[in-house]
Amino acid sequence: EVQMVESGGGLVQPGGSLRLSCAASGFTFSSFAMSWVRQAPGKGLEWVSAISGSGDRTFYADSVKGRFTISRDNSQNTLFLQMNSLRAEDTAVYYCVRESGSRNYADYWGQGTLVTVSS
Amino acid sequence: DIQMTQSPSTLSASVGDRVTITCRASQSISRWLAWYQQKPGKAPKFLIYQASSLQSGVPSRFSGSGSGTEFTLTINSLQPDDFATYYCQQYNSGWAFGQGTKVEIK
Repeated sequence: EVQMVESGGGLVQPGGSLRLSCAASGFTFSSFAMSWVRQAPGKGLEWVSAISGSGDRTFYADSVKGRFTISRDNSQNTLFLQMNSLRAEDTAVYYCVRESGSRNYADYWGQGTLVTVSS
Repeated sequence: DIQMTQSPSTLSASVGDRVTITCRASQSISRWLAWYQQKPGKAPKFLIYQASSLQSGVPSRFSGSGSGTEFTLTINSLQPDDFATYYCQQYNSGWAFGQGTKVEIK
């Protein structure tokens, strides 16, 4: 069974940092690109960042470029999101997402971890 | 960047109704469109890819159509479990989601 479990969310002050983790199981992790998608309270879905299966290519939304870093450890089947210089508008549930298909849609989602940026 | 616009934002319907949600792209995305269902407090669930292909395990009352810039998600004979928010997503160039359509009980 495909499963992704996020962790690392919490309350952080503006300007602070947080590192999210996503532990994956039930599939060959290194064969799949992965993404982070976030959802602010009461709002829609926003793609944040993506990484290739090997980890050699990374992509970022303009809203987080230069502040967030996506990475992965294929030996540990784990995806990461390092978030620096956090702002109030980064407050959201962050979902770890597996990409599939010839053009990569999001076929499996973790349960999400809440990040709250507030003083 | 490609923008996705869904309509309506909210839809009131009864069990047994046929409902249709529209999703428009700001430029052609061929058929690179997916649909997701989300219930309160839960992660989105993948329903349809490539505009009309049903993900395994998704009930056949769900169907998708369209190409280019205009797409629809249709739910035939709405069931109690279908009351939720639905999102379209283009994956032709990066990812972009529609703002969501909430299907509520009339």
